[in-house]
Amino acid sequence: DADVTQTPRNRITKTGKRIMLECSQTKGHDRMYWYRQDPGLGLRLIYYSFDVKDINKGEISDGYSVSRQAQAKFSLSLESAIPNQTALYFCATSDFGGGARDTQYFGPGTRLTVL
Amino acid sequence: GNSVTQMEGPVTLSEEAFLTINCTYTATGYPSLFWYVQYPGEGLQLLLKATKADDKGSNKGFEATYRKETTSFHLEKGSVQVSDSAVYFCALSEGGGATNKLIFGTGTLLAVQP
Repeated sequence: DADVTQTPRNRITKTGKRIMLECSQTKGHDRMYWYRQDPGLGLRLIYYSFDVKDINKGEISDGYSVSRQAQAKFSLSLESAIPNQTALYFCATSDFGGGARDTQYFGPGTRLTVL
Repeated sequence: GNSVTQMEGPVTLSEEAFLTINCTYTATGYPSLFWYVQYPGEGLQLLLKATKADDKGSNKGFEATYRKETTSFHLEKGSVQVSDSAVYFCALSEGGGATNKLIFGTGTLLAVQP
């Protein structure tokens, strides 16, 4: 079984709809992240969480919200989806600590299309 | 702020050719440096990393050396295979253990032809 799973894997929705993307991990990591990937722009950080009581905005948090329901679960919501949120979304996890511990482990991604 | 610049693709090579993908960075302090690979339809996988100057990361025949003097972390492989076709991302870890935030380059598509 995969260590980091994302659901759904693909989603098509309409402008104005509320969408939730879910991420679960079995790695036992405290830290979780949400990124979006756009062609030619690489990955950009949306939100990150260091534990269930700690949520932080990333580079591009406008239009998004998150919920850390448990150590293993981190959800990303689009309250009112718009077409420029069409992208590939990745969840990632990491262990606490710097140096050798700062590797992030990625889920398979969710492809979201907003019409 | 911190940033990563990598060469634009696509890079198209014949099988067994030598590969170099350039990556340079701007950062304060001493970040860790990474190469991630994304195969078609999949998420990112860590390929290799280096955590301090002059360290060499290596995996699956790929290598990269952390060069502080030139702020570079170029990816190399002596003989590429068709199965190496993927998008390669250079990244740095911002803030070390304090934040673990990754800053990514824009990615380089590698296409290896038989």
